[in-house]
Amino acid sequence: QSALTQPRSVSGSPGQSVTISCTGTSSDVGAYNYVSWVQHHPGKAPKLIIYDVNERPSGVPDRFSGSKSGNTASLTVSGLQAEDEADYYCCSYVGTSTVVFGGGTKLTVL
Amino acid sequence: QVQLVQSGAEVKEPGASVRVSCRASGYNFIYSYIHWVRQAPGQGLEWMGWLNPNSGSANYAQNFKDWVTMTRDTSISTAYMELTRLRSDDTAVYYCARSPSTVPTYNYWGQGTLITVSS
Repeated sequence: QSALTQPRSVSGSPGQSVTISCTGTSSDVGAYNYVSWVQHHPGKAPKLIIYDVNERPSGVPDRFSGSKSGNTASLTVSGLQAEDEADYYCCSYVGTSTVVFGGGTKLTVL
Repeated sequence: QVQLVQSGAEVKEPGASVRVSCRASGYNFIYSYIHWVRQAPGQGLEWMGWLNPNSGSANYAQNFKDWVTMTRDTSISTAYMELTRLRSDDTAVYYCARSPSTVPTYNYWGQGTLITVSS
């Protein structure tokens, strides 16, 4: 199972919006609405920010939103804040009852 | 509150085995799956497999099938991940994460365990 494809890095200024893409195949992202996004600050435990494509866990700001079209899922962060600077990973359920992660995207707040 | 507390960092020689524990509290251990994810230095997150604490069944990523074993002790609400035949590229931080099932809804994570493989 190949890793999902994410851009290595994205950046934006405070207050702006950025979108991170996550491209898979018809066997993972395209087949199931079980795409999640985790935020990872180095040295800390990862944090779930989106699950089931577009659901936010309680406590996650509504500045974070998810969507999917075909084999590509997307995470949009609106109203960028300094604390949003982190690594972001998408992950998807795969039909073999397994999971695959994306390679990760470093979000830089300029 | 829900917590996953992992065992401490370890240094192992190549060829050895290591077992990482993940103690759950704040919820009924057998009703959620435990997934294991690792991050090698400078690399991204890599899914290793999941454990169903209720049945004891597990499913592993193809890359790990021959050398990882995930087990549990329900009496102490603890999941274990054992890696055998360690190599230097197994040096990584290993995380356990809770999900309601086999899907990647990781609403709680352990703090991570650094395993260093070095002679």
